[in-house]
Amino acid sequence: SQQGEEDPQALSIQEGENATMNCSYKTSINNLQWYRQNSGRGLVHLILIRSNEREKHSGRLRVTLDTSKKSSSLLITASRAADTASYFCATVPYSSASKIIFGSGTRLSIRP
Amino acid sequence: NAGVMQNPRHLVRRRGQEARLRCSPMKGHSHVYWYRQLPEEGLKFMVYLQKENIIDESGMPKERFSAEFPKEGPSILRIQQVVRGDSAAYFCASSPPGGYGSSTDTQYFGPGTRLTVL
Repeated sequence: SQQGEEDPQALSIQEGENATMNCSYKTSINNLQWYRQNSGRGLVHLILIRSNEREKHSGRLRVTLDTSKKSSSLLITASRAADTASYFCATVPYSSASKIIFGSGTRLSIRP
Repeated sequence: NAGVMQNPRHLVRRRGQEARLRCSPMKGHSHVYWYRQLPEEGLKFMVYLQKENIIDESGMPKERFSAEFPKEGPSILRIQQVVRGDSAAYFCASSPPGGYGSSTDTQYFGPGTRLTVL
């Protein structure tokens, strides 16, 4: 089964609203990361949160991590049209710290 | 400071041909990772290499796929006798040298190579 499943699969909101995406995973992790991918492009690293951290901020991004529930959330505040992209959570498991395991992503659309 | 470079950006092959994808990591990075992304899906880990060594190839198909990262030059992902199911975007990422567990803290991704098999 897949590590790092995002929810929802697709999200459409009005510009200026907040967007929340969730991620669940199955095994113990070293850290969890969020990436953005614009259509047809490569991935851009957004933020990394370690297993001993609970919350992290970066500009308009806020990430939380609940290791007891094996879940994370990404909040984008005051969304902009340029935030339209796919967002992936990715986990680095303790069992194999040499690779990142990606979920299937949330496709976020911001309506002007 | 150039980022991770991949070429070609687009590659079209007919069934049975060979595909060679190249990746030049960021300057100073000695760890390279290859991922495959099918349409509407996330990235799937294929292989992790350091210079002249394959560290983890648990995501590589057993046949037709191989990867190398020579002492000099780019990392190469080679797909022999391509089939339609190989059509995907292939991404390379690199990270700086570090201790076990730290090398994957942040991976820097290239723009990808989109392989189309006719």
